[in-house]
Amino acid sequence: EAAVTQSPRNKVAVTGGKVTLSCNQTNNHNNMYWYRQDTGHGLRLIHYSYGAGSTEKGDIPDGYKASRPSQENFSLILELATPSQTSVYFCASGPDRNQDTQYFGPGTRLLVL
Amino acid sequence: GDQVEQSPSALSLHEGTSSALRCNFTTTTRSVQWFRQNSRGSLINLFYLASGTKENGRLKSAFDSKELYSTLHIRDAQLEDSGTYFCAAEAGQGGRALIFGTGTTVSVSP
Repeated sequence: EAAVTQSPRNKVAVTGGKVTLSCNQTNNHNNMYWYRQDTGHGLRLIHYSYGAGSTEKGDIPDGYKASRPSQENFSLILELATPSQTSVYFCASGPDRNQDTQYFGPGTRLLVL
Repeated sequence: GDQVEQSPSALSLHEGTSSALRCNFTTTTRSVQWFRQNSRGSLINLFYLASGTKENGRLKSAFDSKELYSTLHIRDAQLEDSGTYFCAAEAGQGGRALIFGTGTTVSVSP
């Protein structure tokens, strides 16, 4: 089974502070993704990456940056956290070929006060 | 409008009964994945379909890429089937990203 881990699992931040969420995958997948989940919205795509050094904007990128320093690691960065960014964040990895599933991490609960 | 329309939003089942969840897609969809989110919030992979049907135990899923819908059937529901089910479409987003439905909360009671 593919493995995707996230850290931290829970985070409390203050408005205006910087938050970095980390994701690691051991599947050697090229593609990685950051989603957020809010009540009534399902999961929505923030940023994604095709491989090391690549970051692309998803559907709701405003207020977020991403970094992909290696095949295994993909970070989501909130430079100036706001209460509206309180959410559960999921990282996922997936191959760039067809006929295969994406694998999700356990999620990070972020509370911005 | 939403590209993935999931219904119903909530479903109550008695043990041993069967029912179906449905997702309609408003755009061309290459594949669909189904997940169950458990009480701890983890997303558990159930199915990946690029076409046709797949079955795993009491769960069966179908995807019609021409008619733009997918279904998930739960047969002989058990208490452990409770959770929130999501469908997600690969609809040509960059990097094969997924577009999620809003989920169906399934509650199975004795």
